Amino acid sequence: DVQLVDSGGGLVQPGGSLRLSCAASGFTFSNFRMSWVRQAPGKGLECVATIKQDGGEKFYVDSVKGRFTISRDNAKNSLFLQMNSLRAEDTAVYYCARGGAFEIWGQGTMVTVSS
Amino acid sequence: DIQMTQSPSSLSAYVGDRVTITCRASQGISNYLAWFQQKPGKAPKSLIYGASNLQSGVPSKFSGSGSGTDFTLTISSLQPEDFATYYCQQYNTYPFTFGGGTKVEIK
Repeated sequence: DVQLVDSGGGLVQPGGSLRLSCAASGFTFSNFRMSWVRQAPGKGLECVATIKQDGGEKFYVDSVKGRFTISRDNAKNSLFLQMNSLRAEDTAVYYCARGGAFEIWGQGTMVTVSS
Repeated sequence: DIQMTQSPSSLSAYVGDRVTITCRASQGISNYLAWFQQKPGKAPKSLIYGASNLQSGVPSKFSGSGSGTDFTLTISSLQPEDFATYYCQQYNTYPFTFGGGTKVEIK
């Protein structure tokens, strides 16, 4: 089965850090660009970061530039999101998603930034 | 960034109705447009890619059309399981961006 499994969310204080992981299975991970998409409570979807197949190019939405870093390990079929200097407005469910058209999604992991 | 504008933001419809949702891009995106369905507490589900191509396993009552800046999603005969929120997304230009969503409710 083609599958993405997100993990690493939790409660963190403002200014803190968190690292999200996404484990891929059932397909050739290195063939696909990958993204992290978030959804704040009661709000819409926002793509925060995308990484190309070989990890050589990365793209970020302005609100996370300089704070979040997307990376991948193709040998371990894994995607990561390092989140630093977290703010209350980063509170959301974070999903990893495959491809440009986001044809496959993880189940999501909740990140709560609060003191 | 490319802005994606969906309309309406919500609609009420009867079972069996034909429903159309529109999505407009702030600049041309060719056919790099996808549609998603999301139910409460669940991850979004891909319905359509390339503006008009149905994902595997998605029923044919869903259809998409458009190119350039104007796109539509049509549900030919609304069923109880179709009541959800629908999003469009462009993947022509980084960062990829979504429309604000259309909530489809039962009348």
